[in-house]
Formats: sequence, structure tokens, C-alpha cells
Amino acid sequence: NAGVMQNPRHLVRRRGQEARLRCSPMKGHSHVYWYRQLPEEGLKFMVYLQKENIIDESGMPKERFSAEFPKEGPSILRIQQVVRGDSAAYFCASSPGVAYGYTFGSGTRLTVV
Amino acid sequence: ELKVEQNPLFLSMQEGKNYTIYCNYSTTSDRLYWYRQDPGKSLESLFVLLSNGAVKQEGRLMASLDTKARLSTLHITAAVHDLSATYFCAVTNTGNQFYFGTGTSLTVIP
Repeated sequence: NAGVMQNPRHLVRRRGQEARLRCSPMKGHSHVYWYRQLPEEGLKFMVYLQKENIIDESGMPKERFSAEFPKEGPSILRIQQVVRGDSAAYFCASSPGVAYGYTFGSGTRLTVV
Repeated sequence: ELKVEQNPLFLSMQEGKNYTIYCNYSTTSDRLYWYRQDPGKSLESLFVLLSNGAVKQEGRLMASLDTKARLSTLHITAAVHDLSATYFCAVTNTGNQFYFGTGTSLTVIP
């Protein structure tokens, strides 16, 4: 079992470009969560998805951010028209169900220049 | 919204000493987690505490939970350099959303 796989590990984007972050959950896990970690801070919840459904997106910024978890393939966190303030580590986690703990991926470190 | 506070934020301690990290949370939660994060790395699960009075130990780390006081502690015994990392506590709501504390950055000095 390869664990939660995130790619890329590091991503550099110029202001105004789009960033796409990918997350493949652990085998058998149908629940995916995205968190953002700003420097020197804890993780902040962004969105919770199950296959083809967004369950809770209360932590997502209202503009430029979107997430999906299609029937086939990884979950994608998409940030359009990136700004410097989007620079952060983005972690994906998966679980087999609501009553279970998470397994975290290694994160994608986004730098906006 | 659930709020989670940790203290201290920074902790520098000598090898061989003992210390405790505190985690307070604002509303009832049925699960509390402790994680370790090394610089530039992901979060490693240390403990899951599920009930009042729960105590778990792994090596030099021991975690406890008091749900009435909404307080968890992570006790470090006879610290060694390898324990240097940032430690986070987190609690969950019914939707399985995690609320993380701000973290305690621990440095163990030889």
C-alpha cells in the first residue's frame, strides 16, 4: 500500500498562473480532505470530498479555489490566478470513513513568485 | 467553530529533562489526536485519544485526555535530540473535519 500520494512535491508558479495539485488516496479510502498550512502555522481545513461529491467546502476561499474527486483518478485542488498569499504547503489526507482517522500525504509546497 | 490552543508555542529543553505540552479545545469533541511534523515533511500520527482519562504511551512520549477540562497533555520524559520536531494536537467534529492547534516547536539541546 503506497499511502496517500501527492504530486508534485514542489510547485513554483508565477502570479496569475494556475496551480493544480493532485492527491491519490490510499487504496480502499473513499474520503479525501485538503488542508493548507501557512508558514509557522497549523493546518487549516479546506474541503472534504467523497467520490464525485463535495461534502464540506466551508474552508475553501470563495474565489479562485476549486476541488474535485472524480469517479476515476486522483483528487485535484485547483487554484486559478495564483497570488503570493497562496504560497503554502497543501496537504491531502484520506480515510476509509467518517469515524476513522486520517492518513496524510507528504504535501505539495506551492511557491508563487 | 472549534478552537484549539497549544502552549507553549516554542520549547527549548536540554536532553534528559522532562516537559509537558498542553492542548486546550473549546467545545466537546469525541477524538483527540497528536501528530509530529519534521521540517518540510508531512504529519506523522502519534496518538489517538478517544475517551475521558485515556492515556497512551510510546517510548518517551505519553499523552492523556481530560474531556471534562477539554485538555490534553503530551508529556516528554528524558528528552533526546531525535524528539526535536513540531507537535500538533487536533480534535474533530462530527463531520470528521480536523481542527489543529498552532503547534509546539520543540528543540532538544544536547
